[in-house]
Parts: sequence; C-alpha cells; structure tokens
Amino acid sequence: KAGVTQTPRYLIKTRGQQVTLSCSPISGHRSVSWYQQTPGQGLQFLFEYFSETQRNKGNFPGRFSGRQFSNSRSEMNVSTLELGDSALYLCASSPVGTGGETQYFGPGTRLLVL
Amino acid sequence: AQTVTQSQPEMSVQEAETVTLSCTYDTSENNYYLFWYKQPPSRQMILVIRQEAYKQQNATENRFSVNFQKAAKSFSLKISDSQLGDTAMYFCAFMNSFGNEKLTFGTGTRLTIIP
Repeated sequence: KAGVTQTPRYLIKTRGQQVTLSCSPISGHRSVSWYQQTPGQGLQFLFEYFSETQRNKGNFPGRFSGRQFSNSRSEMNVSTLELGDSALYLCASSPVGTGGETQYFGPGTRLLVL
Repeated sequence: AQTVTQSQPEMSVQEAETVTLSCTYDTSENNYYLFWYKQPPSRQMILVIRQEAYKQQNATENRFSVNFQKAAKSFSLKISDSQLGDTAMYFCAFMNSFGNEKLTFGTGTRLTIIP
C-alpha cells in the first residue's frame, strides 16, 4: 500500500496570506490527524477527522481549520499567517482512529512564513 | 492532561553498542497506549514500537525493545547492536484508549550513532 502523502512538501508564504495543505491517507484509512512541529513547541496536535467530521481539536486559534472529504483526503487551512506559523505540518492516518490504533505519518509539509 | 517527559535531549553511542532512551509519562488512566517514533533527518516520522498498557509483556521489534514499568509510569526504549541508520530524533508518545485519539509527544531525544 502507498503511504500517507502530503502536498506540497515545501511552501513559502508571507504574513497575512492564507495557505491550504493537503493530506491523502493510506488506502482504507478513515481517520486523519494533523500535527504541528516547531523547535520551540515540539509536536502539537491540531485536529483529527473521521468520516468528514472533526472529532478532536487541539489548542490552536480559529485561524487553523480543516476538513475531510468523502474519500478521506483531508486539507488544513491557516488564514492570516503569522511568523510563528512557520513549522513542519505532519499528517497521520489510521484505520478508524479508535482503540489506540497506530498512526502512520506522511513526510510533512514545511511551511515558511516571511 | 497527560504529559510525556524525555529527560535526555541528546545521546550518542558507538556503532554496535546498546543504548537506552528514557521516557516517563503522567496519566490517571489505567488503559492507554505508548509509542516510540523515530524521525531521521528526512523528517519522516516512523513507528519504532508500540505497547498496550494492559499487556505486562514488554514489546520487542527486532533490535528494539521496551522496558515498560506501569507503576512507575516509565517506558524506556533499548536499541541493541546500534547501526548508523538509527541516527535520528526519537519521540516517546502517549495515547488514550478511548475517545480522544491524539498522540501526546515528549520533547524528543537526538540519538547519534558514531562509526
């Protein structure tokens, strides 16, 4: 099976712009989670989607949003970008996202905000 | 809220030696899951090993094994016969067994294998 894919891999934006990142889970996986990784804050949970519904949300401002499509692909959007949004954004998928299932990660999207 | 602590920011070991990475966590739950993930320079997070808290037997995967001490809330990773390809950041992570499926990560240990 193909792994989790994320596009784009690299992105440069300026403050105030918005950005959309995409994640395609492993075939058959229906749960998609997003994480932000920065040197200062480490790895932090953003949100998790299952069957097109957001089930869990981390402690991030409303500028961070996401959605999931019927084919389980997910997108996350960050509006009004700030310098502190520069990070590696990781997507992970699991079959149904319950019972302590292992999450399988994509290669990440590296976002630089200037 | 659960917390995960990795007290060793950096470690290095000679190739072929054995190294142990430490991880402690705090939770009031009785059933949960613990993971070790590896993040090489490519930044791809790779699962190393997984442990269910209800299982007393320590998980093993080839050269990787854990020492899971539930009462002490400790979950260390032992890498035997270390190889150059083991050079990476290693993250310990916690997950509840119900409802909230997020992973809570520690701050990581940067492991360097010296040839």
